[in-house]
Amino acid sequence: QVQLVQSGSELKKPGASVKVSCKTSGYTFTTYAMNWVRQAPGQGLEWMGWINTNTGNPTYAQGFTGRFVFSLDTSVSTAYLEISSLKAEDTAIYYCAKDKYYAAFDPWGQGTLVTVSS
Amino acid sequence: EIVLTQSPGTLSLSPGERATLSCRASQSVSGSYLAWYQQKPGQAPRLLIYAASSRATGIPDRFSGSGSGTDFTLTISRLEPEDFAVYYCKVYGTSLFGQGTKLEIK
Repeated sequence: QVQLVQSGSELKKPGASVKVSCKTSGYTFTTYAMNWVRQAPGQGLEWMGWINTNTGNPTYAQGFTGRFVFSLDTSVSTAYLEISSLKAEDTAIYYCAKDKYYAAFDPWGQGTLVTVSS
Repeated sequence: EIVLTQSPGTLSLSPGERATLSCRASQSVSGSYLAWYQQKPGQAPRLLIYAASSRATGIPDRFSGSGSGTDFTLTISRLEPEDFAVYYCKVYGTSLFGQGTKLEIK
C-alpha cells in the first residue's frame, strides 16, 4: 500500500536550519506531485506548496517563499522540506501529502514536529 | 486569494444523528477543485471527499459531499462514535484550508 513516512521530531534554535524527509513507498514516486502542509500548535492547516516529482520544479504558496525549499531524491523516492533561518513562529507540525487530484491529497505522512526555541 | 469560511465552528450532535457541515468560498470555484478532510487529535488529516462529491478510497458511504459555485456541504448521514473530529475544506490553488468545523459529541 502507499505509505509516506516522515523523519522524526526536531528541536532547533532560532537561526538554525532543519531538513524534514518524506520517504515514500507503494507507488511510482515520479508519477504524483508532493505537497507540504503546515499546522501550527492548536491551529488549522496551511498549504505550503508542491513539487513536481518528475521535473523537480517547486511551487511555493504565498508566505512560503525565500526560507522554504522543497527538494527530491528520486533514487530513494524521498521528498524533502528544508527551512532556513528558523524563527519561533516556524514551530509547527509539517506534513507531506501525495497529490491525488485538485486540492485532494492522499495519503499524508504522519507529520514531523519542528520546535524552534532558544 | 479565495477565502474559505466553514460553519458552524463547532457542531454538537449525538451518535446516530445527521451532520451537515458548510464550506463557503469568497468567489466561485469549480466543484472539481474542492476537497474535504477529517482530522482526529494527534493524527494526520485524511482525505474524505474530492471533486466536491467523490468519496476517497475506503471512506464509508455515510459521508457525502455536494455543492457548486460558492457553497459546498459535507453530510454525514448517521454519526458513528469515530466521526467526531475536526473537518476542513480545501480549494485548489489557495494556500488556506477552511478554518475547520469541530464535530463534538453532545
